[in-house]
Amino acid sequence: AQSVAQPEDQVNVAEGNPLTVKCTYSVSGNPYLFWYVQYPNRGLQFLLKYITGDNLVKGSYGFEAEFNKSQTSFHLKKPSALVSDSALYFCAVISNTGGFKTIFGAGTRLFVKA
Amino acid sequence: DTGVSQNPRHKITKRGQNVTFRCDPISEHNRLYWYRQTLGQGPEFLTYFQNEAQLEKSRLLSDRFSAERPKGSFSTLEIQRTEQGDSAMYLCASSPQDLMNTEAFFGQGTRLTVV
Repeated sequence: AQSVAQPEDQVNVAEGNPLTVKCTYSVSGNPYLFWYVQYPNRGLQFLLKYITGDNLVKGSYGFEAEFNKSQTSFHLKKPSALVSDSALYFCAVISNTGGFKTIFGAGTRLFVKA
Repeated sequence: DTGVSQNPRHKITKRGQNVTFRCDPISEHNRLYWYRQTLGQGPEFLTYFQNEAQLEKSRLLSDRFSAERPKGSFSTLEIQRTEQGDSAMYLCASSPQDLMNTEAFFGQGTRLTVV
């Protein structure tokens, strides 16, 4: 069965500091990995994805994520956090071995303090 | 195309009533998904369609839930005999049938409150 784990309910970081939001996954077959962001009263928005190729993928708003197959991780990173990055972040996975439903983690709330 | 559209945005209903939600996906997207999200949690998969075919249903989708996508365009999700535990945000998403473009585009959801 596919699953995604986000071990931190909340991450606090000061504006201008680097941020990391952690994600590990479990899936049979090759994973398609995603990060989505949810701002208050707004729908889920796609940030970035890993399908194949370079392990470091870049996405919207200056975010990037690193795929690590040996550690089954896909951590979200940003070199310099902004207050406006404060939101709920979801890691997600699709397995290519059957079906294309996206399975989401429980989410990590990011607070960026000025 | 302005993205995935869901109606209504909010629904308050009495326990035991039936409710129906509508989702209009991005027009060229073959795949359509329904999710349920409760406060502070990640979206939980309910069901998905490829064109008009319902290909997978979660065990979360009890007999009181039914979804349709009759012409492969819009979809409806009906909940019969609503219960207070059905209170949640119901999200619809669509994606193209393309292995390299599998990210889902979400609507803003329908918030259901069962009183």
